Amino acid sequence: GAVVSQHPSWVICKSGTSVKIECRSLDFQATTMFWYRQFPKQSLMLMATSNEGSKATYEQGVEKDKFLINHASLTLSTLTVTSAHPEDSSFYICSATGQGLTYEQYFGPGTRLTVT
Amino acid sequence: AQKVTQAQTEISVVEKEDVTLDCVYETRDTTYYLFWYKQPPSGELVFLIRRNSFDEQNEISGRYSWNFQKSTSSFNFTITASQVVDSAVYFCALSGYGQNFVFGPGTRLSVLP
Repeated sequence: GAVVSQHPSWVICKSGTSVKIECRSLDFQATTMFWYRQFPKQSLMLMATSNEGSKATYEQGVEKDKFLINHASLTLSTLTVTSAHPEDSSFYICSATGQGLTYEQYFGPGTRLTVT
Repeated sequence: AQKVTQAQTEISVVEKEDVTLDCVYETRDTTYYLFWYKQPPSGELVFLIRRNSFDEQNEISGRYSWNFQKSTSSFNFTITASQVVDSAVYFCALSGYGQNFVFGPGTRLSVLP
C-alpha cells in the first residue's frame, strides 16, 4: 500500500519560534496533501488542503499566516507553524492522495508538537 | 454536508467480551466510501477497512467484523473476543467523491484484563 512519512515524530520548541513539519509520500505521487490537527481526546480536524504547485486552501478558522503550507513537489509537503504558542501544541497528521485515488487518503504517522 | 456520528464516547469491556462500535453517517452522495481506523496510544492511524456505498456485504477479518446497512446509514464494527491490545480510539470516517474525509468523534475502547 501507499506509504506516507512525517518528520519529525515529535518536536519541542519554545514559544515564539517556528517549527517545520515534513510530510512525504514514499511510493506514489501525491497530487493532493492534507493537514489535520488533533487535540487530546478529540477527533482529527482538517486544517488545509494543498495541491502540488498551488496555494493551500485553509479551513475556516485556521490562520494561513500562522500555518504555512508548501506543496512544492509531488512527494513533499511542509507545514510551518510560525511564532508558535503553547496553544499550538497538538498532534499534527498529514495525509496524501494521488491520481486514481479519488476516495482514498493515506495517513502519515503524525507529529507531536509541544510548545513550551 | 457530510457528517459522521459515533454515539459511544467511551466503552469499557472485560477481555474476551464482544463489543460493537456504532457509526452513523449522513451524506447526499450516492457514491461514497466508509472507513474505520484504529488509533493506539502512539497516535498513528491504523487502517482497518474501506467499504464503498455499493457493497453492502458484511465483512469479517479475524476477530473483526463490519455491518454496513444503507437503510439506516450505519456502518458498525464488532470485535469478537476482545483483547487488551484492542484498547485504542476507533474512528469511523466518510469520504465522498473529490471530497475531504469527515471523521467521527471517535470511540475510546478500553479492554480490561
